[in-house]
Amino acid sequence: SAVISQKPSRDICQRGTSLTIQCQVDSQVTMMFWYRQQPGQSLTLIATANQGSEATYESGFVIDKFPISRPNLTFSTLTVSNMSPEDSSIYLCSAHWQGRTEAFFGQGTRLTVV
Amino acid sequence: DQQVKQNSPSLSVQEGRISILNCDYTNSMFDYFLWYKKYPAEGPTFLISISSIKDKNEDGRFTVFLNKSAKHLSLHIVPSQPGDSAVYFCAASDYGAGSYQLTFGKGTKLSVIP
Repeated sequence: SAVISQKPSRDICQRGTSLTIQCQVDSQVTMMFWYRQQPGQSLTLIATANQGSEATYESGFVIDKFPISRPNLTFSTLTVSNMSPEDSSIYLCSAHWQGRTEAFFGQGTRLTVV
Repeated sequence: DQQVKQNSPSLSVQEGRISILNCDYTNSMFDYFLWYKKYPAEGPTFLISISSIKDKNEDGRFTVFLNKSAKHLSLHIVPSQPGDSAVYFCAASDYGAGSYQLTFGKGTKLSVIP
């Protein structure tokens, strides 16, 4: 089965600071995505992490706030910049493997901004 | 505008009985539907899926039914076990258009009572 390692698993951060979340998968994947789950809400897609090029952002999410890197086929980072309490959420990395229709998820990063 | 809706935030079922979790969608372009299970402090785990060309898919205790005309799907768990207690998310995608992005519902918290 697929292994997706995400870290940190949780963090408490001061407002105005930035946090970088790392996602490592155990084999080359076709697609990587970043999702956010705000309290009591569904998982919302932030962006598709494209290998070697700029991420593709969904409506309501911008690169300046959520810069994403994907330097190779097995690793991606999401940075939450200039944080405010409204950014307190669970952030999830997701990956698709060639030939599989289901996505796999990391364990998530629970972020609290104070 | 929620394209995937899970109208029951919670459900309680006695152990051994059937659990039925419901999901409605509005986007006619969705052609693949998935159910994920999520325990606290863990990422979502893929459970079962169904393509829009089918109306039923079964995997052990889990069966998903799709009613395309009603834009409705349901997950049946028989018999329910205490270990099934978790939040269940319905998700949909437009794989026919080459999209691996998932649109999620808000989830239903299932509690199986021993």
